[in-house]
Amino acid sequence: DAGITQSPRHKVTETGTPVTLRCHQTENHRYMYWYRQDPGHGLRLIHYSYGVKDTDKGEVSDGYSVSRSKTEDFLLTLESATSSQTSVYFCAISEILGGYTFGSGTRLTVV
Amino acid sequence: GQQVMQIPQYQHVQEGEDFTTYCNSSTTLSNIQWYKQRPGGHPVFLIQLVKSGEVKKQKRLTFQFGEAKKNSSLHITATQTTDVGTYFCAGPLIRAGSYQLTFGKGTKLSVIP
Repeated sequence: DAGITQSPRHKVTETGTPVTLRCHQTENHRYMYWYRQDPGHGLRLIHYSYGVKDTDKGEVSDGYSVSRSKTEDFLLTLESATSSQTSVYFCAISEILGGYTFGSGTRLTVV
Repeated sequence: GQQVMQIPQYQHVQEGEDFTTYCNSSTTLSNIQWYKQRPGGHPVFLIQLVKSGEVKKQKRLTFQFGEAKKNSSLHITATQTTDVGTYFCAGPLIRAGSYQLTFGKGTKLSVIP
């Protein structure tokens, strides 16, 4: 969707390496989210942000950290990638009580 | 915590048949949202229902919000191959300063031509 971009779209990385995924928005939305999607598990919230430098954990936050130093950017870091973190990662943005706009996703493979 | 459950998990229909997916929340919701994700794509917002008993239509899609605001349904009339994908419902969880959606696990719809 226009207004939100994720990078990279695809990445293959080795076990134990740090990885950073980027989400960039041009909508000036307050809320930003990182989800992972795996077969049989649906969309699971990793971390979210409700403002610059305001972040909180979701249901599957272990092994992940986030940062939001500007309204438009929300970074997700896998501190030391493991094979269990192979997944599709989606970023989303919203205003309160509004619908989410999702990015196109990042397919991450940890080998 | 808040849970949102969807049934069925999978549905296979012949093209032209109707399809319904159901969503149930463990708590009363201020609104319910529906999303569609095409194979290989990302979830796309379809609609939001706010009022108790609300019914909204988008062409062949009919969305309902239950009277108690704890359940919802999506009905597709005369399915087409373009309806293929996974349909998610989601309910908001609002805490001081924060807003997030709890998603159901989705219903994956296959349409046999």
